[in-house]
Amino acid sequence: DAGVIQSPRHEVTEMGQEVTLRCKPISGHDYLFWYRQTMMRGLELLIYFNNNVPIDDSGMPEDRFSAKMPNASFSTLKIQPSEPRDSAVYFCASRFGAGTYNEQFFGPGTRLTVL
Amino acid sequence: QQQVKQSPQSLIVQKGGISIINCAYENTAFDYFPWYQQFPGKGPALLIAIRPDVSEKKEGRFTISFNKSAKQFSLHIMDSQPGDSATYFCAASKGTSGSRLTFGEGTQLTVNP
Repeated sequence: DAGVIQSPRHEVTEMGQEVTLRCKPISGHDYLFWYRQTMMRGLELLIYFNNNVPIDDSGMPEDRFSAKMPNASFSTLKIQPSEPRDSAVYFCASRFGAGTYNEQFFGPGTRLTVL
Repeated sequence: QQQVKQSPQSLIVQKGGISIINCAYENTAFDYFPWYQQFPGKGPALLIAIRPDVSEKKEGRFTISFNKSAKQFSLHIMDSQPGDSATYFCAASKGTSGSRLTFGEGTQLTVNP
């Protein structure tokens, strides 16, 4: 398996523009997570899905952020409009099963820079 | 509210030495404590994990020590190698909410040859 795939790997945009990050989870995994990593706040969970349904979006910072999972093999995280403080590395992770001890597999991340 | 505090922020160790990274948590409901390793430009990857019913878990050169009463756990890397140079994150989650991992701030480890 190729692991979790994220695109693009790098994104540079200007303030006010819409940004869409994409994720393909590992085939057969039924949980998908979106994280944000910054120097100031470390790794934060933004939202996670189970069987394509959003379960917990309490980490989404504000209404400018939205996430969708139209099917088991694809998810998007959208920021509209983007702001410089959204600059971070965004990770997608997936997991099989509901067990507490089941491993989450992370993708390589998308480095977002908002000018 | 930061529920998992990690220290030190950075650590420099000589090859062959022991690297020790510490974490403390607040929520007594946490029952799963993984450590993740992250290399530059990569996503975090699970290194080793422990449950609170044991006080120690060892996998190769990596050992987790767990102190439930003190609400602390630590990662020990024996015979540290330059290839171990990475950022290490501790994390915690609880029971049926095991999907929500709370991460520590991270420790940047450098192992000098």
